[in-house]
Amino acid sequence: GQQLNQSPQSMFIQEGEDVSMNCTSSSIFNTWLWYKQDPGEGPVLLIALYKAGELTSNGRLTAQFGITRKDSFLNISASIPSDVGIYFCAGHFPWDYKLSFGAGTTVTVRA
Amino acid sequence: NAGVTQTPKFQVLKTGQSMTLQCAQDMNHNSMYWYRQDPGMGLRLIYYSASEGTTDKGEVPNGYNVSRLNKREFSLRLESAAPSQTSVYFCASSEDPYFQGGNTIYFGEGSWLTVV
Repeated sequence: GQQLNQSPQSMFIQEGEDVSMNCTSSSIFNTWLWYKQDPGEGPVLLIALYKAGELTSNGRLTAQFGITRKDSFLNISASIPSDVGIYFCAGHFPWDYKLSFGAGTTVTVRA
Repeated sequence: NAGVTQTPKFQVLKTGQSMTLQCAQDMNHNSMYWYRQDPGMGLRLIYYSASEGTTDKGEVPNGYNVSRLNKREFSLRLESAAPSQTSVYFCASSEDPYFQGGNTIYFGEGSWLTVV
């Protein structure tokens, strides 16, 4: 699979802040998935998007499937300490049998 | 719910040794995958099995072999381990390989492998 461009690579957040990360691809996707990985664990699904323009929330998390089908963003509102971890985007090309993953955004809480 | 279970959790190997990582899923999924995760590299696909009886190479298949033993189980074998194979390995499964209409991928908890 092709790697997606995920940014930022890392971020420090202050408790209570809203944060945003995004993924872009040079080709269109028909599915975008957002995962979170805690230390020592496997990635866990946060939000799944299956239609261009789709905006979906899961608690304080909101993600959108870009209208061009080449990008997606994830917002975390009012961040809390347990939001730390690595966030991955994953996309599915229509012609492929597998997912492509971004390199991840590492979120750390600023003391 | 067990979901995706992989063993062992931790393993240290000497260069040249062989070993097999085991994976089983109890969700009646058709597709299974093996990924490796290295710092700053995200998740890279080693091999996958779109359905029982089929296996295909992913991005980084060299040095690995797989077996889809049955619908539930998908093993990854390192025939002659090398230090470059030090990594965290994740098994995963999905209902099918098309990822549409609510289908997503579920991961195991990971296997930490060190080759010295």
